[in-house]
Amino acid sequence: RKEVEQDPGPFNVPEGATVAFNCTYSNSASQSFFWYRQDCRKEPKLLMSVYSSGNEDGRFTAQLNRASQYISLLIRDSKLSDSATYLCVVNVNTGRRALTFGSGTRLQVQP
Amino acid sequence: NAGVTQTPKFRILKIGQSMTLQCAQDMNHNYMYWYRQDPGMGLKLIYYSVGAGITDKGEVPNGYNVSRSTTEDFPLRLELAAPSQTSVYFCASSGRQGNTEAFFGQGTRLTVV
Repeated sequence: RKEVEQDPGPFNVPEGATVAFNCTYSNSASQSFFWYRQDCRKEPKLLMSVYSSGNEDGRFTAQLNRASQYISLLIRDSKLSDSATYLCVVNVNTGRRALTFGSGTRLQVQP
Repeated sequence: NAGVTQTPKFRILKIGQSMTLQCAQDMNHNYMYWYRQDPGMGLKLIYYSVGAGITDKGEVPNGYNVSRSTTEDFPLRLELAAPSQTSVYFCASSGRQGNTEAFFGQGTRLTVV
């Protein structure tokens, strides 16, 4: 089983739609969670951290469910500029102290 | 405001050749990482370092070597290039705790022919 799993998509949605991505992780000792955004042929960039109580940043809402070991990202009122690949990222923070990336979920927002 | 700088941006190597991918950061970060990303795939960790003089293997270290003689620099060495090493290589760094935001370089697109 992969450490971090995501639906690769693509998710094709019209402008203004609400879209949600889920990500599951296998290691229950995971302590830090993030969503990164990667544009085509570019480097990944942090979109937002994910906190235990859930957090919101404008049109983006992230949630964590430790019991079921998944995190989610909700995007409201999708814009064309939201088209990108969204990477779920987990840090176990023990032993190998590095970020583990999911394969990403591709979002295409259409006019 | 440089952040993480990778060189070169593109490179074509012949099978069996060697090269070093350079990575430098100016944020005084202790943690540095090398990832590779194959087309349509996620990032796989090659090597990482938690500070100068300390390096450790990631998921896919075979065929690569690293060194960390200073806080700023973390070069990745390919000794005998193989077609399977055709990929995009990203260097990243993060702050002291290792669970803070990671900043990435722009990547090196390597093709082995």
